[in-house]
Amino acid sequence: RKEVEQDPGPFNVPEGATVAFNCTYSNSASQSFFWYRQDCRKEPKLLMSVYSSGNEDGRFTAQLNRASQYISLLIRDSKLSDSATYLCVVGTLSGNTPLVFGKGTRLSVIA
Amino acid sequence: DGGITQSPKYLFRKEGQNVTLSCEQNLNHDAMYWYRQDPGQGLRLIYYSQIVNDFQKGDIAEGYSVSREKKESFPLTVTSAQKNPTAFYLCASTRETSTDTQYFGPGTRLTVL
Repeated sequence: RKEVEQDPGPFNVPEGATVAFNCTYSNSASQSFFWYRQDCRKEPKLLMSVYSSGNEDGRFTAQLNRASQYISLLIRDSKLSDSATYLCVVGTLSGNTPLVFGKGTRLSVIA
Repeated sequence: DGGITQSPKYLFRKEGQNVTLSCEQNLNHDAMYWYRQDPGQGLRLIYYSQIVNDFQKGDIAEGYSVSREKKESFPLTVTSAQKNPTAFYLCASTRETSTDTQYFGPGTRLTVL
């Protein structure tokens, strides 16, 4: 079983739509969770951290479900500029192991 | 400005030549990482270093070598033993290894002819 799994997409949605991505992780000892955004041929950039209580940043909402071991990202009122690949990232405190990156979900917002 | 720099942005080499990619950070981060990304694929960890003069192999270390002589610098050498070196190489750093946010450099796109 892969450590961090994401639906690769692509998700093709019209402008203004609401879209949600899920990501599952296999290590129950995972302690930190992030969503990164990667534009084509660019480096990944932190979109938001994901806290146990969930968090919201403008049109973006992230949720964590520890019992089912998944995190989600909701994007409301999609803009053309939201088109990118969204990477789910998970970290664990044990063994000083690096963060584990999912392969990403590709989103295309179309006019 | 604080950040991570990688140079060059594009690099072309002939097959059989070793090549060294530069990564420098002025964020005072302890941990640094090298990833490889192939078209349409996810990030794969090559090497990482949690402290000066120490580094560990990642998932795909064969054909690569690194050094960490200074906290700010973590160069990656792609050796001739690497069977398919053409890829996008990303360097990252964090304050600590396991749970902290990683910050990435802009990447080096290596093409071996």
